[in-house]
Parts: sequence; C-alpha cells; structure tokens
Amino acid sequence: AQSVAQPEDQVNVAEGNPLTVKCTYSVSGNPYLFWYVQYPNRGLQFLLKYITGDNLVKGSYGFEAEFNKSQTSFHLKKPSALVSDSALYFCAVRNNAGNNRKLIWGLGTSLAVNP
Amino acid sequence: NAGVMQNPRHLVRRRGQEARLRCSPMKGHSHVYWYRQLPEEGLKFMVYLQKENIIDESGMPKERFSAEFPKEGPSILRIQQVVRGDSAAYFCASSPISGWTEAFFGQGTRLTVV
Repeated sequence: AQSVAQPEDQVNVAEGNPLTVKCTYSVSGNPYLFWYVQYPNRGLQFLLKYITGDNLVKGSYGFEAEFNKSQTSFHLKKPSALVSDSALYFCAVRNNAGNNRKLIWGLGTSLAVNP
Repeated sequence: NAGVMQNPRHLVRRRGQEARLRCSPMKGHSHVYWYRQLPEEGLKFMVYLQKENIIDESGMPKERFSAEFPKEGPSILRIQQVVRGDSAAYFCASSPISGWTEAFFGQGTRLTVV
C-alpha cells in the first residue's frame, strides 16, 4: 500500500538554527513529492515539489528538500529557522503513473521555532 | 486571479441537519479535489472530480456524503444528517486541465456539529 510517514509529531528548534522535518514514503513507480505548510487558521500553502531532475529542490520562504531515492526520503530543510516558520508541515506524494492525481498525505509535523 | 475560494469558512450544524460546502476553483481549473482533516489526524482524500464527472470517490464514506462539480458554478460537498464525527476541516484543491504537478488549496471550511 502506498503511504507517507512523518516520524516526528513535533520538532522544536531555536531561532537561527538549522531545521529538518523528516518524510519517508512508500509508493510504486516514480513519485512526485510535495511539501505543504499550514499556518494556524489558514489553508494549506504549497512550499516545494520534486518531479524529476536535481535531487535538491528549493522552494518558498528559504526551504529546500532533498529527494533520496535509495532511502525513499524527502526531508524538508532550512539553514536558519525563523520564529515565523512555526506551523504544521505536511509531506505528500503521488504516483505519477496513469491518470492518478490523488495525493497521499503524511500526518503532519508541528514545527515550533523558539526565539 | 483569485485563488481557490471555499465558503463558508465556518459552518455550525446540529446533528441530523445537512451541510453544504462550496468550492470555487481557480480560474481555468477544471479538476477539484476534496480532503478532510480530522482533529489529531492528517489530511484524507475524499473525492476527485472533473466538470460533471466524479473520477475517484474512493475516499468518500458510502453513506450521507456526496459531491458534485456542475458545468456551471462551484463544486459542492454535501453531508446529509450530520453527526458529531463529521466535525472537521474540509479542504478543496483545484488543478488545471493539463500539466498538473501541484494543487492549489482553499482555506478550508471548518464544520462543527453540535
């Protein structure tokens, strides 16, 4: 079965420190991978995606993610965290085969950046 | 170009009433997806629609839930005879006809059943 795992419910980092939010996946075929962020009382916002090409993708707000096929991971990273980065982060994946457009979501990781 | 618009933002219904959630996709988008976010859970796919067609409803509960995306007007997610367990945030996303690589989400409708 296809699935996405975000092993950490919560990540705490100090402002200015690097942050990593982990995501691993299990999907047949070649995956399309996404990160979304949800700020309190807001909708989901797209951060970045991996479709093909360079394994390191850069996205909005200084975030980046590295696709690792052998480890089936797509961890979200940022070199220097800001307090305003505190939010809920969702990893999502879909199989690129055929007409399937259904995203499969992780349960989310709550990021708290402390001043 | 307005984003995906969902209304209402907040909806309160008594048990047994009907809830109708509306989603207007971005201009030029003919694909709509509905997701449900339950407390303490992640997003769960419900249904994928194109104009006048349901493509994939594998995530929809078999009873009380229905969705449509008519030729004109917004997509509607309808929940009949709501129960407390239906309380959740419901998100709609849309994508264009071709070259889909990401979906644009609305801000969600928070349904509270009292």
